Amino acid sequence: DGGITQSPKYLFRKEGQNVTLSCEQNLNHDAMYWYRQDPGQGLRLIYYSQIVNDFQKGDIAEGYSVSREKKESFPLTVTSAQKNPTAFYLCASSTPGTEYGYTFGSGTRLTVV
Amino acid sequence: GNSVTQMEGPVTLSEEAFLTINCTYTATGYPSLFWYVQYPGEGLQLLLKATKADDKGSNKGFEATYRKETTSFHLEKGSVQVSDSAVYFCAYQGGSEKLVFGKGTKLTVNP
Repeated sequence: DGGITQSPKYLFRKEGQNVTLSCEQNLNHDAMYWYRQDPGQGLRLIYYSQIVNDFQKGDIAEGYSVSREKKESFPLTVTSAQKNPTAFYLCASSTPGTEYGYTFGSGTRLTVV
Repeated sequence: GNSVTQMEGPVTLSEEAFLTINCTYTATGYPSLFWYVQYPGEGLQLLLKATKADDKGSNKGFEATYRKETTSFHLEKGSVQVSDSAVYFCAYQGGSEKLVFGKGTKLTVNP
């Protein structure tokens, strides 16, 4: 079955360490997105990519970095510059057109101690 | 700018009660409209959608009608169950193809 996979489900890191969250899709979608969700809050866009080897900053890109070397993969690195990295991170993908919406992964909960 | 406004939660209902979650949007043109549901600890799942005015999306007993004259897409269910407890997000997708989300409404259904 086609889908979007985020790993790991839970991630713990020490303060000051960089950490990379994985996002893989086999839906042949062109566009991919990273969102951050804090408890009781909505979704905030971190980065998005509409095509391989290209990506744009979202609303809260500071302290994060991404790459898009393959269509299927869009990893997110949370750097030590991110002041409050503990959150739930969601990856999504979409195909061109306004009628399809996004397909989401199941999320990664990052806890920095 | 373009935005989506949902009724603020949390919403608490008893089982078999009627549910309405209001959603209005501001956007130019003819966007597609969506409702997503997020169960605890999970990602968002598409619940239903409507792509043109007067369309009704429906799924799992939930319904929403695309009302262009009132720029609304209210979510309704006639009889909620405990298993419907989740966070519900309204969203639209316009010409830029990036989804614009509302802030989410948390629903708790008690037995």
